[in-house]
Amino acid sequence: NAGVTQTPKFQVLKTGQSMTLQCAQDMNHEYMSWYRQDPGMGLRLIHYSVGAGITDQGEVPNGYNVSRSTTEDFPLRLLSAAPSQTSVYFCASSYWDGVNTDTQYFGPGTRLTVL
Amino acid sequence: KQEVTQIPAALSVPEGENLVLNCSFTDSAIYNLQWFRQDPGKGLTSLLLIQSSQREQTSGRLNASLDKSSGRSTLYIAASQPGDSATYLCAVKEAGTALIFGKGTTLSVSS
Repeated sequence: NAGVTQTPKFQVLKTGQSMTLQCAQDMNHEYMSWYRQDPGMGLRLIHYSVGAGITDQGEVPNGYNVSRSTTEDFPLRLLSAAPSQTSVYFCASSYWDGVNTDTQYFGPGTRLTVL
Repeated sequence: KQEVTQIPAALSVPEGENLVLNCSFTDSAIYNLQWFRQDPGKGLTSLLLIQSSQREQTSGRLNASLDKSSGRSTLYIAASQPGDSATYLCAVKEAGTALIFGKGTTLSVSS
């Protein structure tokens, strides 16, 4: 199993550009989520999904869109990049029993810089 | 609102020491608590998951305990090694939400 994979590893954008961060998992997990990690702020939830076709907002959703068309993939779209979105982005997946998640597995992260 | 606190923020120990990392949370209504390890520039690796009905979990030299009523968890590392140097993160899972993380304890083990 590859686990959770993320692409790209690094990305530099100019203010106003859009892009998509890719996330895929091969563990057949229903639950997937996106976090951003900033110095002094810890990890904060952006969006999450409990299955194909179902998404919901987390703590810091503004400026980001998600969709979940398959169980395996959960892309994160930046609509119009801003310097405040400079961060490290992590995707995670987990088994979901309809109420609770089990062990969460994280991808290696995407380091994004917005100039 | 749930808050997760980890003390200390940083810890330096010589190789071979046994050590304890602390995690506290403000709302005891959690489903589970998970400890992660993060190496510099890397993702998070799950170390131990404790369900709310459990008191502790063990994996090799690691032992994590959970006291829901007091809102505390500890991660015990036995016979520390330089390879244990990393940031250790604690996270709690509540109903209907994703994980809520502490800010971590950065551990340095010197040889």
